[in-house]
Amino acid sequence: GQNIDQPTEMTATEGAIVQINCTYQTSGFNGLFWYQQHAGEAPTFLSYNVLDGLEEKGRFSSFLSRSKGYSYLLLKELQMKDSASYLCAVRDSNYQLIWGAGTKLIIKP
Amino acid sequence: DTEVTQTPKHLVMGMTNKKSLKCEQHMGHRAMYWYKQKAKKPPELMFVYSYEKLSINESVPSRFSPECPNSSLLNLHLHALQPEDSALYLCASSHEGAADEQFFGPGTRLTVL
Repeated sequence: GQNIDQPTEMTATEGAIVQINCTYQTSGFNGLFWYQQHAGEAPTFLSYNVLDGLEEKGRFSSFLSRSKGYSYLLLKELQMKDSASYLCAVRDSNYQLIWGAGTKLIIKP
Repeated sequence: DTEVTQTPKHLVMGMTNKKSLKCEQHMGHRAMYWYKQKAKKPPELMFVYSYEKLSINESVPSRFSPECPNSSLLNLHLHALQPEDSALYLCASSHEGAADEQFFGPGTRLTVL
């Protein structure tokens, strides 16, 4: 079967750094996406990894290890507005997006 | 124009009603998607249109009927829904197909009484 695991909930402090992990087992791999979703709103694209390594985009970075079936999203200099759910999604061999259940990130002052 | 729009934002309907959700994008994207999302769950893919043709139907009940009148518009016709169909319905589009990043609309919050 296809499976994507990420923590259900994490808490971090404003100004700090947090790493959200995602592990996956899918039939094939054609890229991994991270999306941010605020409560009641649509997901918005954060990052895309298809090769191993780190992709940096401002305060957000995403890392991929295909051999380990592992990715993480790193958020630096946390702001209150970063409180949201973070969804990991993998594109399988059929180019279908398989979604993780999401990690709810709570930022405290 | 770099957004996907959806109407209405909220919809309340009875089980005998017929209603439609609408989605529009003017980014020249040729793939469009309907997702259903329940609270605290990830989006569930319902339908994919590619070049205005239905390419994926994820075994969705026939009370949901998609329609793609042209490359910019995507509709979801609703008839005889059940209360468990209450959810956030998200439309998304991508440049050519599943190989590309998907852009999501704001969603329609549907409540079935």
